[in-house]
Amino acid sequence: AQSVTQPDIHITVSEGASLELRCNYSYGATPYLFWYVQSPGQGLQLLLKYFSGDTLVQGIKGFEAEFKRSQSSFNLRKPSVHWSDAAEYFCAVGARGDYKLSFGAGTTVTVRA
Amino acid sequence: DAGVIQSPRHEVTEMGQEVTLRCKPISGHNSLFWYRQTMMRGLELLIYFNNNVPIDDSGMPEDRFSAKMPNASFSTLKIQPSEPRDSAVYFCASSLTSYNEQFFGPGTRLTVL
Repeated sequence: AQSVTQPDIHITVSEGASLELRCNYSYGATPYLFWYVQSPGQGLQLLLKYFSGDTLVQGIKGFEAEFKRSQSSFNLRKPSVHWSDAAEYFCAVGARGDYKLSFGAGTTVTVRA
Repeated sequence: DAGVIQSPRHEVTEMGQEVTLRCKPISGHNSLFWYRQTMMRGLELLIYFNNNVPIDDSGMPEDRFSAKMPNASFSTLKIQPSEPRDSAVYFCASSLTSYNEQFFGPGTRLTVL
């Protein structure tokens, strides 16, 4: 079964600084990978996804993520964060032919002025 | 598109009462998922429907929980009788097919006193 680890529970970053959130997965074959963002009191919004092809994927709100098979990672990045990026971020992994998604525990991002 | 719609957004009830949560998936999506989110356990998949048929209910915690999907545009999650430990945020999500990205509703925050 697949699993996801988000090593950082909480990250604080200054507005305008770069952000990188780590995600490591465990799965034997090529996974489907997702990043979701959850603002307080809201549902999860899909930021980006990787199914196949180019390992650098672009998402909404200026986010990008890179799939590195050798490191079993799918880290999320943003070159310059805005105060509105303060939220909780979830990495998720799915398997081809399987409807289940495994979610990481989430990383809370705080943006300071 | 209106996205996934859930109601109510907040529900406060007393122990022993019946609670019904409602979900309208995105039109054309054939897969529907109910999740529960708590601080302790994160996001848990409760039940998965495909073409209105329950496929996997292994995540339903106990017989007090039941879910139905009478048609492609409506699903309910019922808890009877409710208990304080059921307090959580319940999300409904839908996807175009079983193996695509899932789109989440805003959630229902349930508090059982």
